[in-house]
Amino acid sequence: EAQVTQNPRYLITVTGKKLTVTCSQNMNHEYMSWYRQDPGLGLRQIYYSMNVEVTDKGDVPEGYKVSRKEKRNFPLILESPSPNQTSLYFCASSVKPTSSYNEQFFGPGTRLTVL
Amino acid sequence: LAKTTQPISMDSYEGQEVNITCSHNNIATNDYITWYQQFPSQGPRFIIQGYKTKVTNEVASLFIPADRKSSTLSLPRVSLSDTAVYYCLVGDRGYQKVTFGTGTKLQVIP
Repeated sequence: EAQVTQNPRYLITVTGKKLTVTCSQNMNHEYMSWYRQDPGLGLRQIYYSMNVEVTDKGDVPEGYKVSRKEKRNFPLILESPSPNQTSLYFCASSVKPTSSYNEQFFGPGTRLTVL
Repeated sequence: LAKTTQPISMDSYEGQEVNITCSHNNIATNDYITWYQQFPSQGPRFIIQGYKTKVTNEVASLFIPADRKSSTLSLPRVSLSDTAVYYCLVGDRGYQKVTFGTGTKLQVIP
């Protein structure tokens, strides 16, 4: 089944404890992206990657890191989480960005709480 | 990126046609218009994408006037299961940077 998976789905952690949220897609997509969703603010893009080893900042990159060493994986790293990073996180992927048909496929989300 | 403006919320009765309009005055020549649907605690799901005039698929139609400064998502005969948030996005197909905005919360009433 074609899908985007995220782990963990739920996480409660404490301020300053490094964490990684994994994202994997099995559709051979070149493009991957991370979003956070907060009440009243909609979805905001954190980082995106156009291909392996190519990443760039979205609208809200502060406090996050990403890497794209393999095509299928795009982990989101919080080196020192803070309570304002408590949010619902979504990973998404899509085919080569210049293709003629382009939709993003989203993962199920990771609900993160930082105490 | 072209900024989009949508109504915050809409109500509709079951069985009615719903039209959600998105304003994007600064749309660029290469920009496409894409709509997503999101249910609570789920990731958004692609509905439809278009560049000009009209696009139709099995779930919705997208109307884009000649000046492309706005677009209308049309959902025929909505049901309770169409209650969701609908996002309008404008950008080139490269998706290099994506702005979803706050969307339109559609409530379908029995």
